[in-house]
Amino acid sequence: DAKTTQPPSMDCAEGRAANLPCNHSTISGNEYVYWYRQIHSQGPQYIIHGLKNNETNEMASLIITEDRKSSTLILPHATLRDTAVYYCIVRGINTGTASKLTFGTGTRLQVTL
Amino acid sequence: EAGVTQSPTHLIKTRGQQVTLRCSPISGHTSVYWYQQALGLGLQFLLWYDEGEERNRGNFPPRFSGRQFPNYSSELNVNALELEDSALYLCASSRGRGTLHFGNGTRLTVT
Repeated sequence: DAKTTQPPSMDCAEGRAANLPCNHSTISGNEYVYWYRQIHSQGPQYIIHGLKNNETNEMASLIITEDRKSSTLILPHATLRDTAVYYCIVRGINTGTASKLTFGTGTRLQVTL
Repeated sequence: EAGVTQSPTHLIKTRGQQVTLRCSPISGHTSVYWYQQALGLGLQFLLWYDEGEERNRGNFPPRFSGRQFPNYSSELNVNALELEDSALYLCASSRGRGTLHFGNGTRLTVT
């Protein structure tokens, strides 16, 4: 799986948009970008994933650059409950051994009043 | 729809003992994944089961083993427990190669 690079930490004011960047310059054509978050002592929560088009769901938006070498997760109106570690993961799903997720160190997002 | 359930939620064992952790996947999911997350560290991939077969294994010693049952539930067994096995053990499930969904884990403490 391609490696990802994320800033170790970010702060965001409550009510503002949180924009979390991720670099994945070695991503290959059959690899998706997945985002999960982990709130303290809980299991990771799936947020969103995409291949090359921008995606939006009830939780967040995912913007993938045209060359697919980086992406941004956007939480449009961050709340205190969005404080968590956010993981950007590149996952190939066409080969057996690549079905697992390989987690990096993620970005610790702190939402403040 | 019920999520991935894991039992027990907490467990305390003594060094050298054996432990079995259990995972029930989301209904309709056939793949189960196990991860270890030691305190302050990242998630490390342990095992992946699909349709009852072990498909992939992480860089862990053989005393970590598991199995998947015909109903797709899974067990993770750890023999000869060591202090450094203390961690949060997470199970995830997916429908084939689909999105993984995680349970809230079993916190194992080895004393």
